[in-house]
Amino acid sequence: DQQVKQNSPSLSVQEGRISILNCDYTNSMFDYFLWYKKYPAEGPTFLISISSIKDKNEDGRFTVFLNKSAKHLSLHIVPSQPGDSAVYFCAASVRAGGTSYGKLTFGQGTILTVHP
Amino acid sequence: EAQVTQNPRYLITVTGKKLTVTCSQNMNHEYMSWYRQDPGLGLRQIYYSMNVEVTDKGDVPEGYKVSRKEKRNFPLILESPSPNQTSLYFCASSLYPPPGGEQYFGPGTRLTVT
Repeated sequence: DQQVKQNSPSLSVQEGRISILNCDYTNSMFDYFLWYKKYPAEGPTFLISISSIKDKNEDGRFTVFLNKSAKHLSLHIVPSQPGDSAVYFCAASVRAGGTSYGKLTFGQGTILTVHP
Repeated sequence: EAQVTQNPRYLITVTGKKLTVTCSQNMNHEYMSWYRQDPGLGLRQIYYSMNVEVTDKGDVPEGYKVSRKEKRNFPLILESPSPNQTSLYFCASSLYPPPGGEQYFGPGTRLTVT
């Protein structure tokens, strides 16, 4: 049972345009969400995160939006650059006190390709 | 340099032959975790450890064992590997458990079981 889903396996965008990567979750206990970026032959690296008490978090060109009622989050990259081409994973966790504290649940990943 | 190291990076083995993938971090992190990455399934957590001698099952622990006898090391043990454990494995560590700490991932170990 996939509790975190990224339904788009791939996304292709022109350099300079906006990239929007989507993620849905089913477990209402999740209260913290993260995005990781992965280049080939490397481990994932942390990109940006958001707590369930917020609906938006911004860090430079990267913005994450959270819609709790829809159990949906999205990562916006503006403007997109060729170096952003990678696999993007969203992940969800429960903060301290929850029975699943310490677990991190990932989605399937979306391959982003930014064309020059 | 702060890093998570895994060994070996590549391994081809046969069904039933016990193997260990080592993971070591030099950042004095409390939390360590193992994941496997498979096409269409993303990253799935196998086991995690909050601290020395404290380990817990992730979402796919069957067929794996771990131990945490020292803070820096968190080996993954496959007692009797099977072909369905062919995968790309990542070890990660963070100062605090997620989401409190940013996780640092190792470079990955590609395992093939024939």
